[in-house]
Amino acid sequence: AQTVTQSQPEMSVQEAETVTLSCTYDTSESNYYLFWYKQPPSRQMILVIRQEAYKQQNATENRFSVNFQKAAKSFSLKISDSQLGDTAMYFCAFMIAGNQFYFGTGTSLTVIP
Amino acid sequence: DTGVSQDPRHKITKRGQNVTFRCDPISEHNRLYWYRQTLGQGPEFLTYFQNEAQLEKSRLLSDRFSAERPKGSFSTLEIQRTEQGDSAMYLCASSLPGQYEQYFGPGTRLTVT
Repeated sequence: AQTVTQSQPEMSVQEAETVTLSCTYDTSESNYYLFWYKQPPSRQMILVIRQEAYKQQNATENRFSVNFQKAAKSFSLKISDSQLGDTAMYFCAFMIAGNQFYFGTGTSLTVIP
Repeated sequence: DTGVSQDPRHKITKRGQNVTFRCDPISEHNRLYWYRQTLGQGPEFLTYFQNEAQLEKSRLLSDRFSAERPKGSFSTLEIQRTEQGDSAMYLCASSLPGQYEQYFGPGTRLTVT
C-alpha cells in the first residue's frame, strides 16, 4: 500500500523567515515521483516543486527547496523568505510513473506579517 | 493555454438526485484524472483516463459513480442517487504524455442535503 504522512496539521511562520514542512511516505516501488502542491484558500491546487526519486540532487525552485532522503522515505519542503502569499494548505504527494497521485492530509501554513 | 476548467463550480442537490460534473482538460493533455477531496483531507483518487480509455478505477468509485471521456477531450463524472456522504470537492486534473505533474482545475463543490 502507498501512503503519505504529513505530521504537522498546522504551522505558522513570520514573514521573511524560513519554514520546513515535513512529509514521509511508504512504497515498495523504486521508481516514483514526489511533489509538493499548494492550495490557497478557495483556489485551485498549484504545483510548487517536483522531485524524481532516481535523482540524488534535491530540487530547488526559487524560494522553495526540498530535502529528499530516499532511504528514510522523507521529502520535506523548505520555504525561504516566507511571503504573505505563501499562506495556503500544502500537500505532499507521490506518484508511481504514469498513475494516480497519493496525497497526504496537508499542512496548513500561515505566514504572519 | 486556459488551464483545466470544471463546471459547475458549486452544486447543491437533494439526497437521491443525480448530478453530473464536467471537466475540460488543458488541450493536448491526454491523461485526465478525477479526485475527491473532503474537508481536512488530501485529494483521493477516483479514476483516470488516457485518451478515451478509462484505465483505472478506485474502490472509492461505487456503482453509483460513472465517468466518461467519449472523445478523449472533456470528461463527465456522474453520481446517481446521491447520498450525504457524497458531499465533497470533486477535482479534475490533466497531464501531458511523458510528464508526471498534474494540473488541477478549481473543483466542483457538491453539497447533498
